Amino acid sequence: QKEVEQDPGPLSVPEGAIVSLNCTYSNSAFQYFMWYRQYSRKGPELLMYTYSSGNKEDGRFTAQVDKSSKYISLFIRDSQPSDSATYLCAMSAPGTYKYIFGTGTRLKVLA
Amino acid sequence: DAGVIQSPRHEVTEMGQEVTLRCKPISGHNSLFWYRQTMMRGLELLIYFNNNVPIDDSGMPEDRFSAKMPNASFSTLKIQPSEPRDSAVYFCASSLFVPGSNQPQHFGDGTRLSIL
Repeated sequence: QKEVEQDPGPLSVPEGAIVSLNCTYSNSAFQYFMWYRQYSRKGPELLMYTYSSGNKEDGRFTAQVDKSSKYISLFIRDSQPSDSATYLCAMSAPGTYKYIFGTGTRLKVLA
Repeated sequence: DAGVIQSPRHEVTEMGQEVTLRCKPISGHNSLFWYRQTMMRGLELLIYFNNNVPIDDSGMPEDRFSAKMPNASFSTLKIQPSEPRDSAVYFCASSLFVPGSNQPQHFGDGTRLSIL
């Protein structure tokens, strides 16, 4: 079993839909949770960075962490074609530099 | 502010040739990471530097791979000799290490390497 599991997709949604992207993990030591967006032929771009449990909102994006279930989510409201990309989750434990990445979910928002 | 800058963006070369990838981290960051991304294996950490010192090179696949960080604003990843299975996208990332806090890593746009 991988430390971080992420559905590779592709996930296709119509423009304006609410998108839910998820990752599950097995290591209870993880305290830092990140979401990166990666466009084709570009590097991963940091979207959200959260510590421990709870929600964090930034514009149309909301990151949610449920440590009891070892489950994190990224919600995208009013999705746009420009949101079409691969979304990678990443997590790390305190005091370590290592990130454990999910394999990424390909999202397609259809106009 | 300038992000992480990598060069070249694309490299196509023949098997057996030496390949050198370059990275300029974000100014003020003291941690630098080299990753390799493939469809099969996703993002793999190759090597981690802190304050220009290699801390963890356990991800370097073979002795053919080497990395240096001669100063805080420059790092290289070298493959010699290159092989077709080295074809991948290589990313450099940097972050600010603060004791007691895991600061996020910021990535460059990568070097797409093709070994023929």
